[in-house]
Amino acid sequence: DSGVTQTPKHLITATGQRVTLRCSPRSGDLSVYWYQQSLDQGLQFLIQYYNGEERAKGNILERFSAQQFPDLHSELNLSSLELGDSALYFCASSVGIPHTDTQYFGPGTRLTVL
Amino acid sequence: AQKVTQAQTEISVVEKEDVTLDCVYETRDTTYYLFWYKQPPSGELVFLIRRNSFDEQNEISGRYSWNFQKSTSSFNFTITASQVVDSAVYFCALSEALNAGNMLTFGGGTRLMVKP
Repeated sequence: DSGVTQTPKHLITATGQRVTLRCSPRSGDLSVYWYQQSLDQGLQFLIQYYNGEERAKGNILERFSAQQFPDLHSELNLSSLELGDSALYFCASSVGIPHTDTQYFGPGTRLTVL
Repeated sequence: AQKVTQAQTEISVVEKEDVTLDCVYETRDTTYYLFWYKQPPSGELVFLIRRNSFDEQNEISGRYSWNFQKSTSSFNFTITASQVVDSAVYFCALSEALNAGNMLTFGGGTRLMVKP
């Protein structure tokens, strides 16, 4: 158990809908990261937050957004869902000291868009 | 731009065989970090090891060992006397110091199947 929690574990929804994925980092970690794992794209970095502020952005679609709250939990919002958004979404956390720490991953949320 | 290549998409071995998973990376940065993660059938990503670019010492942890060679931009992972529980997808990843954040760039993964 990495100490990172993600809810829900599974999510099934329809095209055009909006969903919110939630992540709680390990105790003491200030950085949260979101990654998407799909069959065609592999594991891709989406976005990173550090202590409430966006720090880095990867291949995140405009339909997707995220935020980190004062209690350090994070939410990833996916809107206008398409079939191709079906994937495993991972949250990871780290202490947040640049370039010296390790990311620990949560169990993931499997999103299925029908 | 950074890139990680795991040329072996799938490897199948019989229990107790040794197996090496290859990882080749590309980076323009002189300071970078390399990682291996394991993804068992249950789906979670489990951290195995982290190496920085200034430390080329090989590392051994039980049946696992890692060979980091800057000259060939490789960070290979060997499992000695493999066991069925080692069956998983293994990912090599890279993080560059030049990046504003600590984003990881992953290779495509190697699926290891250990048969009894």
